[in-house]
Amino acid sequence: DAKTTQPPSMDCAEGRAANLPCNHSTISGNEYVYWYRQIHSQGPQYIIHGLKNNETNEMASLIITEDRKSSTLILPHATLRDTAVYYCIVRVGGSARQLTFGSGTQLTVLP
Amino acid sequence: GAGVSQTPSNKVTEKGKYVELRCDPISGHTALYWYRQSLGQGPEFLIYFQGTGAADDSGLPNDRFFAVRPEGSVSTLKIQRTERGDSAVYLCASSFSLAGGNRELFFGEGSRLTVL
Repeated sequence: DAKTTQPPSMDCAEGRAANLPCNHSTISGNEYVYWYRQIHSQGPQYIIHGLKNNETNEMASLIITEDRKSSTLILPHATLRDTAVYYCIVRVGGSARQLTFGSGTQLTVLP
Repeated sequence: GAGVSQTPSNKVTEKGKYVELRCDPISGHTALYWYRQSLGQGPEFLIYFQGTGAADDSGLPNDRFFAVRPEGSVSTLKIQRTERGDSAVYLCASSFSLAGGNRELFFGEGSRLTVL
């Protein structure tokens, strides 16, 4: 699975949009981009995934560049409960293989 | 509840002892995964089961670590002759294995192991 690069930490003001970047320049054509987050003392939680089109669900939006070498996770109105480590992962679509986690981005939402 | 259940939530043991950690996946999930997470690090893959068999055990660090899933549901991670370096949170996850599906992983809360 392709390697991803994320900033180690970011801050965001409560109520503002949080934009978390991820670089995956070696992504293959059959690899999806997945985002998970891990709130302190909990297990990771799935947020969203996509292949090449932008995706939106009740939690977040995922913007993938046309060349698919990078993506941005957007939390439109961050709350204090969104403070967590956010992991960007690429994995072959439809695969049941394990996810490979990096170090992620620690997002801190400030009041 | 309907989520992944892990027991015990906390385990303190002495160096050299044997430990078992249990994972009860979501009903109907055929894929089960074990990870361990050290402080400040992302989860590190250990082993993945498809049904009763280990499909990939390449993440197990050495032969002191072993996992079973005899009936394709509950799984037990076994650690022999524990060492202080084994101290970590051990996470279990499960997912569906239908072809073409999202195969989102659902994680438990983890078992925190402390080896004194």
